[in-house]
Amino acid sequence: SQKIEQNSEALNIQEGKTATLTCNYTNYSPAYLQWYRQDPGRGPVFLLLIRENEKEKRKERLKVTFDTTLKQSLFHITASQPADSATYLCALERRTGRRALTFGSGTRLQVQP
Amino acid sequence: AAGVIQSPRHLIKEKRETATLKCYPIPRHDTVYWYQQGPGQDPQFLISFYEKMQSDKGSIPDRFSAQQFSDYHSELNMSSLELGDSALYFCASSIGTLLPSKTQYFGPGTRLLVL
Repeated sequence: SQKIEQNSEALNIQEGKTATLTCNYTNYSPAYLQWYRQDPGRGPVFLLLIRENEKEKRKERLKVTFDTTLKQSLFHITASQPADSATYLCALERRTGRRALTFGSGTRLQVQP
Repeated sequence: AAGVIQSPRHLIKEKRETATLKCYPIPRHDTVYWYQQGPGQDPQFLISFYEKMQSDKGSIPDRFSAQQFSDYHSELNMSSLELGDSALYFCASSIGTLLPSKTQYFGPGTRLLVL
């Protein structure tokens, strides 16, 4: 069955360090992979989208990689700040048909000052 | 900038009652998605609409129905509520479901509690 896995354990890092979050998927051929940030009790907020033919995407302190051979995406936050503390969700979107997102379970990031 | 509006923000119902959740997409967005997020769970896709027609269906129970109106707002109708329906319900909107991937913009959610 299709599965999207994110590290369920919280990631605790020190301010200023680089946070790296992992998203692995199986039995899926996504055309696009997106990363969202979600704060408690609030809706997911879009961060970055990467296409299947792209290896890497950057936006300010954020970087996403997409390896369709490994079926994995890595999400990096450089120079992390306490304000980056949140749950980060990866979401996959198929090439055709259903355009709705299938979310992973998210990884909670805690940046310590 | 205008965002997705959802109402009500909080709703308390009893078992077997009905509830209606409303979603107002970002202006000029023609696609609406509904997601359900249980406590500690990831958002699960329920149903989507493009240009007032249902475009996709996910894990929406038969007790639920939804529609998109001429002004593109959408309503999710939930009947015979069960305790397990307690969750955050998110609406998201985007432009054009048939085009290459478009970002989905999520609303603040409606927190439904069924007692």
